[in-house]
Amino acid sequence: GNSVTQMEGPVTLSEEAFLTINCTYTATGYPSLFWYVQYPGEGLQLLLKATKADDKGSNKGFEATYRKETTSFHLEKGSVQVSDSAVYFCALTGSGGYQKVTFGTGTKLQVIP
Amino acid sequence: DAGVTQSPTHLIKTRGQQVTLRCSPKSGHDTVSWYQQALGQGPQFIFQYYEEEERQRGNFPDRFSGHQFPNYSSELNVNALLLGDSALYLCASSLGLAGSSYNEQFFGPGTRLTVL
Repeated sequence: GNSVTQMEGPVTLSEEAFLTINCTYTATGYPSLFWYVQYPGEGLQLLLKATKADDKGSNKGFEATYRKETTSFHLEKGSVQVSDSAVYFCALTGSGGYQKVTFGTGTKLQVIP
Repeated sequence: DAGVTQSPTHLIKTRGQQVTLRCSPKSGHDTVSWYQQALGQGPQFIFQYYEEEERQRGNFPDRFSGHQFPNYSSELNVNALLLGDSALYLCASSLGLAGSSYNEQFFGPGTRLTVL
């Protein structure tokens, strides 16, 4: 079945540091890939997505590129802010109808001033 | 435009009891999915409802059941609660099951269930 593996946290960075959170996946066919963010006490929000190979998803300064050859979808941001502190989930859906989302275990990011 | 809403926010039950959680989808959405998120883990898919029928199910026992109403809202029922059922239960809504294209799922804030 489908699965997602992402780097374990917590990740602690100073403000304005560069962020990378690694994510690799296993899936048949042509999955769509996502990063969700969960701020403390809130529900999941879609941060960005990519639906085919070599697509780059971007939002709020975050980027991730769908790499089919390495089955990866690493999240990056050039300069993190304290407000980026949250838990980040890599996820995928398979192709076809009846979509369900398969999530990684999440990576907690803490940005300190 | 209201997003996905869930009730109650928090719930405390004892082992062996039954619980019902409720979800109202985002306006215009007709598909509801339920997920269980244990502490420190990623959400796990429970099941998905479309046109008032369960369309897909994850690896959860029959103690977990659901329902979708004509207005697209949904309930998640859990019988014979176990301590391990303590988790955040998330509802997500989306529009249709359109072939091979992905329809973004919008998540509610969740219901925190504690089983004592």
